[in-house]
Amino acid sequence: DTGVSQNPRHKITKRGQNVTFRCDPISEHNRLYWYRQTLGQGPEFLTYFQNEAQLEKSRLLSDRFSAERPKGSFSTLEIQRTEQGDSAMYLCASSRTGGEQPQHFGDGTRLSIL
Amino acid sequence: GDSVTQMEGPVTLSEEAFLTINCTYTATGYPSLFWYVQYPGEGLQLLLKATKADDKGSNKGFEATYRKETTSFHLEKGSVQVSDSAVYFCALRGGSNYQLIWGAGTKLIIKP
Repeated sequence: DTGVSQNPRHKITKRGQNVTFRCDPISEHNRLYWYRQTLGQGPEFLTYFQNEAQLEKSRLLSDRFSAERPKGSFSTLEIQRTEQGDSAMYLCASSRTGGEQPQHFGDGTRLSIL
Repeated sequence: GDSVTQMEGPVTLSEEAFLTINCTYTATGYPSLFWYVQYPGEGLQLLLKATKADDKGSNKGFEATYRKETTSFHLEKGSVQVSDSAVYFCALRGGSNYQLIWGAGTKLIIKP
């Protein structure tokens, strides 16, 4: 169990640029989740995959956001035409299937929009 | 919709003091309840969980009991240590959704 890995740890970019984050889940976990966390708040759900299928998307996920999980392994989250309000910590979590399997979190990618 | 409310922080205690961090929830059905901890500079870690009424989750000296009648899941520890300083998050997962609904977090500061 090597844990959930997220890259990069930090991303600084100018407003209007596109950014892409990567998440490598724990290898035997077939569920993968993306959350967003702003300072002083708890995480907010963005989207969820079971294997390669994206099963649920939050209303927070505007058209500028897209997530993929090709082959049901790693996942990418892309934000197009970034805005100041996109500045946040983006968290990835994974879990096994079934019942009350806990979600295991990565350390997150901190996005700062200049 | 479902929601979680935690007591506001920071909570500052002396070492060996008794800790309670309050958490109440609103949910339809019978959610599962979780406490996660985030140590400085680290990611979120599951601390404990309870999946049905009257269940008690426990780990590392922390405990929380799922109280359906008061819709609460308060976190307790009998004697805190400086190393317990962190941000604690209460969360629920309900119904057919697999997403977690989170409280705002409570920062705990333990002074030696």
